[in-house]
Amino acid sequence: EAGVTQSPTHLIKTRGQQATLRCSPISGHTSVYWYQQALGLGLQFLLWYDEGEERNRGNFPPRFSGRQFPNYSSELNVNALELEDSALYLCASSQLAGAGEQYFGPGTRLTVT
Amino acid sequence: GIQVEQSPPDLILQEGANSTLRCNFSDSVNNLQWFHQNPWGQLINLFYIPSGTKQNGRLSATTVATERYSLLYISSSQTTDSGVYFCAPGGGSNYQLIWGAGTKLIIKP
Repeated sequence: EAGVTQSPTHLIKTRGQQATLRCSPISGHTSVYWYQQALGLGLQFLLWYDEGEERNRGNFPPRFSGRQFPNYSSELNVNALELEDSALYLCASSQLAGAGEQYFGPGTRLTVT
Repeated sequence: GIQVEQSPPDLILQEGANSTLRCNFSDSVNNLQWFHQNPWGQLINLFYIPSGTKQNGRLSATTVATERYSLLYISSSQTTDSGVYFCAPGGGSNYQLIWGAGTKLIIKP
C-alpha cells in the first residue's frame, strides 16, 4: 500500500511569489492535514480537510489556503511569500475524519529568497 | 488548548544504552502519537497510544491518560535511533494533533 506522497520535494521561490504544494493521501483516507515545521522547531498545525471541505485551520494568515479534490488529494497554496515562510511543509492523512492515527508524507521543503 | 511538554530536550547516549522519554500534557486527550523524525525530515509513526501500553521490538510506550503523561522507552539503543522524537496528543472538537518541542536523541557508536 502506497503511503502519503508529496510534491515537489524542494521548492525555491522569491519573496512575493506564490507557492503550490501537493499531497496525495493513503488510499481510503479521507482526511488530509497540513503542518509547517520551521527549521529546528516543532510542527504547527495549518489546515485540516475532510470530504472536500475545510474543517479547521491553525493560527496562520489567510494567504495560507488550500483545497481538497474529489479524489481526496489536496494542495496548499501560499500567496505573497515571505522569508519566514521558509520551512518544511508536511502533509498527513487519516482514515477517520479528524481522528485516529495520522500518517505523514516526506514533506516539501520550501525556501523563500 | 492542550499544552505539551517533552523531556529531556536533548539526550546523548552510548550505543546499547536504554532511555526513557517523557511527555506531559495539560488536558484530556482522545489521541496520542509518538513519532521519530529522521535527519531527512521524514516522520515515522512509532505508536498510536491514547491510553495503555504497547510494545514494538525494542520500543515500548505507556500512556496514563488520567495522570496526563506518556512515556517512550527505547532499549539497547542503536545509532539508527538517533533523531528527534515527538509526542503529539490531540483532543476536543478540533482534532488536530498538538506537538511538543521534541527530544533530540543522539546515539554514539
